[in-house]
Amino acid sequence: QVQLQRSGAELVKPGSSVKISCKASGYTFTSYDMHWIKQQPGNGLEWIGWIYPGNGNTKYNPKFNGKATLTADKSSSTAYLHLSSLTSEDSAVYFCARRGLPGYFDYWGQGVMVTVSS
Amino acid sequence: DIVMTQGALPNPVPSGESASITCQSSKSLLHSNGKTYLNWYLQRPGQSPQLLIYWMSTRASGVSDRFSGSGSGTDFTLKISSVEAEDVGVYYCQQFLEYPWTFGGGTKLELK
Repeated sequence: QVQLQRSGAELVKPGSSVKISCKASGYTFTSYDMHWIKQQPGNGLEWIGWIYPGNGNTKYNPKFNGKATLTADKSSSTAYLHLSSLTSEDSAVYFCARRGLPGYFDYWGQGVMVTVSS
Repeated sequence: DIVMTQGALPNPVPSGESASITCQSSKSLLHSNGKTYLNWYLQRPGQSPQLLIYWMSTRASGVSDRFSGSGSGTDFTLKISSVEAEDVGVYYCQQFLEYPWTFGGGTKLELK
């Protein structure tokens, strides 16, 4: 069965960066886009972007240009979200989600909580 | 960006009653292929969102037939017939017609 396994919660300082991971199993990792979605406490969902692990192509929400970088490691079937220059506005839960065909998120990871605090 | 606006529910909803959640998009989500690029998700407390409906009206695999989606190009409704305890949570609509993909602000369903 399809599973997206998250990395652990992160407590990081303002101005630093963090890299969170999403390990996929149960399907061909290189055949599906992996998306990342942000959810601030008590707030709704915000789409960050996607990566296609098959060729490394990416697409970002312009709001996250310069903030988020998506990468993927085919050998370990793991997708990564790197967030830089962290501020309190980056404190949120970050989900990875597989895009089924044609454009819905059919499987979601459990979500990684990132807390930015000094 | 396409703005998605969701309506509120008159919470709490009595168990067994029906509930309708509305979602409006700032632009028609009707694709040239005839399909409407609108999804619905439910996020139960403490959980990740799960897909309910895609292409405005197609139920995802394993989703109860108590859930149905309808609408036009810009106005959409998710109807839940006979609300049950497992339906409690926040419902989100989402468009995938244009980048950046956007979600509605969410509609909370509470049970009476």
